[in-house]
Amino acid sequence: DTEVTQTPKHLVMGMTNKKSLKCEQHMGHRAMYWYKQKAKKPPELMFVYSYEKLSINESVPSRFSPECPNSSLLNLHLHALQPEDSALYLCASSQDSVRFFGPGTRLTVL
Amino acid sequence: AQSVAQPEDQVNVAEGNPLTVKCTYSVSGNPYLFWYVQYPNRGLQFLLKYITGDNLVKGSYGFEAEFNKSQTSFHLKKPSALVSDSALYFCAVRGISSGSARQLTFGSGTQLTVLP
Repeated sequence: DTEVTQTPKHLVMGMTNKKSLKCEQHMGHRAMYWYKQKAKKPPELMFVYSYEKLSINESVPSRFSPECPNSSLLNLHLHALQPEDSALYLCASSQDSVRFFGPGTRLTVL
Repeated sequence: AQSVAQPEDQVNVAEGNPLTVKCTYSVSGNPYLFWYVQYPNRGLQFLLKYITGDNLVKGSYGFEAEFNKSQTSFHLKKPSALVSDSALYFCAVRGISSGSARQLTFGSGTQLTVLP
């Protein structure tokens, strides 16, 4: 298995909802990432997990809460989001400095 | 701090013609350089990387890139463009220091359109 999968593909949520994004990889990569991407812009790093531990949090608001249950899974828990949080959320894993990106979750916050 | 510049927001080229997407970088020490491509509503897809060795790097789908240390550039090239190459291209650099400097810094992206 040489891909990163993400679910759901699309998510629409209200500002009071709680939802979660899921990411999975079975390539044995020990580093995993969450990025946020606005249309036609480069991805912005949010979180980095290394060996299942959070190693970098790029000053992300607490309404985004990452979790790494095991070496293959990465979750992003969402709560009380704002409309400006609407974006494509990309998960990635890495080996030899190369990032392997999932297809993303298109999030719309109403 | 490391940075990447992609000076062209948009590049148009006719099918069959050679294409170049420009990238310059700034980083402390020897750079790790990457090109990624993004098709509409998809994640980023790795094309090629330069870490050390030959300055001409060959990658996926017939793309190549030339590392030029004196000009701090890493331009992406393809001898003959296809309509299916139309996509958003990102150049990225990674430093060798620890912490956030080891993370990728992306350029602003260049939209490539190949005209039939």
